[in-house]
Amino acid sequence: AAGVIQSPRHLIKEKRETATLKCYPIPRHDTVYWYQQGPGQDPQFLISFYEKMQSDKGSIPDRFSAQQFSDYHSELNMSSLELGDSALYFCASSLWTSVDTQYFGPGTRLTVL
Amino acid sequence: KNQVEQSPQSLIILEGKNCTLQCNYTVSPFSNLRWYKQDTGRGPVSLTIMTFSENTKSNGRYTATLDADTKQSSLHITASQLSDSASYICVVSGRDYKLSFGAGTTVTVRA
Repeated sequence: AAGVIQSPRHLIKEKRETATLKCYPIPRHDTVYWYQQGPGQDPQFLISFYEKMQSDKGSIPDRFSAQQFSDYHSELNMSSLELGDSALYFCASSLWTSVDTQYFGPGTRLTVL
Repeated sequence: KNQVEQSPQSLIILEGKNCTLQCNYTVSPFSNLRWYKQDTGRGPVSLTIMTFSENTKSNGRYTATLDADTKQSSLHITASQLSDSASYICVVSGRDYKLSFGAGTTVTVRA
């Protein structure tokens, strides 16, 4: 069965650069979630989208933005990168009607130098 | 720290007057927010339920508002009646179906 796809899997950026992470949800899933997991920390919810509309907002910095497109894939845009942005970024997807089950992607490891 | 904070803790109003109760929450991700009315010694009765896309919902003289960006909700009671004396509880449901309850606001309506 198809799973959540994230790209790239690894990304190295310099401080103050920008980065774009992509997430392709499981087919027919209409809800996408973004999480940030720092070293040794629990995943922190950033933002979610349902049917291309922002459905909830967590601890997403103002330097980050995200959107969901008509094909339901989502992109997380990160600008003015800081060293502290180095983390594993997970994307998850679900059906809005089955919110208790989120399927996670493999994550994108972002390293800011 | 409770994820759902209600204010004021209690209030007294005169019959016929309006009042507004506040509910601030930190539950995230968010699924829906409900306002319940609970009379003393009785079970809670649902007044309104709102998802993130709904800004306002009315049920008779009760009007609830929701600002999902600021994570704030209010319940406005119009032209209060003696029967409005009760506890009003704000309940927020997260995306994992867990319910987080506020401590409630006790409203006393006096003639």
